[in-house]
Amino acid sequence: EAGVAQSPRYKIIEKRQSVAFWCNPISGHATLYWYQQILGQGPKLLIQFQNNGVVDDSQLPKDRFSAERLKGVDSTLKIQPAKLEDSAVYLCASSLGILAGGRGTYNEQFFGPGTRLTVL
Amino acid sequence: GEDVEQSLFLSVREGDSSVINCTYTDSSSTYLYWYKQEPGAGLQLLTYIFSNMDMKQDQRLTVLLNKKDKHLSLRIADTQTGDSAIYFCAESRDSSNTGKLIFGQGTTLQVKP
Repeated sequence: EAGVAQSPRYKIIEKRQSVAFWCNPISGHATLYWYQQILGQGPKLLIQFQNNGVVDDSQLPKDRFSAERLKGVDSTLKIQPAKLEDSAVYLCASSLGILAGGRGTYNEQFFGPGTRLTVL
Repeated sequence: GEDVEQSLFLSVREGDSSVINCTYTDSSSTYLYWYKQEPGAGLQLLTYIFSNMDMKQDQRLTVLLNKKDKHLSLRIADTQTGDSAIYFCAESRDSSNTGKLIFGQGTTLQVKP
């Protein structure tokens, strides 16, 4: 079974430039997550999709970050304009999905290799 | 608060046992997870425990959960150099039921030959 794919693996840009990351989740996975992992910290959720709808984007800096999952499969995360503090690894994860009425249901997330962004 | 706390660094000799500790804050957490991250790689799920359990064993891994103290530990028996990595504790909270994970800052495990 193919895992979660992400591209590019590395990106170096200057501040105020724009950048986009792409994620292809595991086939059949309804839920897709984007995490930001700053060096020395654990991943922090930026946005979560269930199919093509947003479930949680409370931690997404919406003045500069945007994400979409138009057909409920692939997703892109964009930063425009980038700041120095956006330097991080951006991880995409997917899971089978939130089960209706499944309060506290086990829901394993599978992670991609990440995109390492350096903003100069 | 949302904090999940871990010690930052642990160094052990090959063949010894490693114990990585984690404390969390939300008593409504349903599942608690241990992930492993090797350099340049994504997160790999090692094991998880449901909040109504106090212990889970899976080959060399033993997870202990003290729900009263909100303390989680991961014991790796017979630690090998291939176990060198960063280990993250994470919690999934029942109140959200979205699968959202709150991660600790990670513990770097160094295994010396």
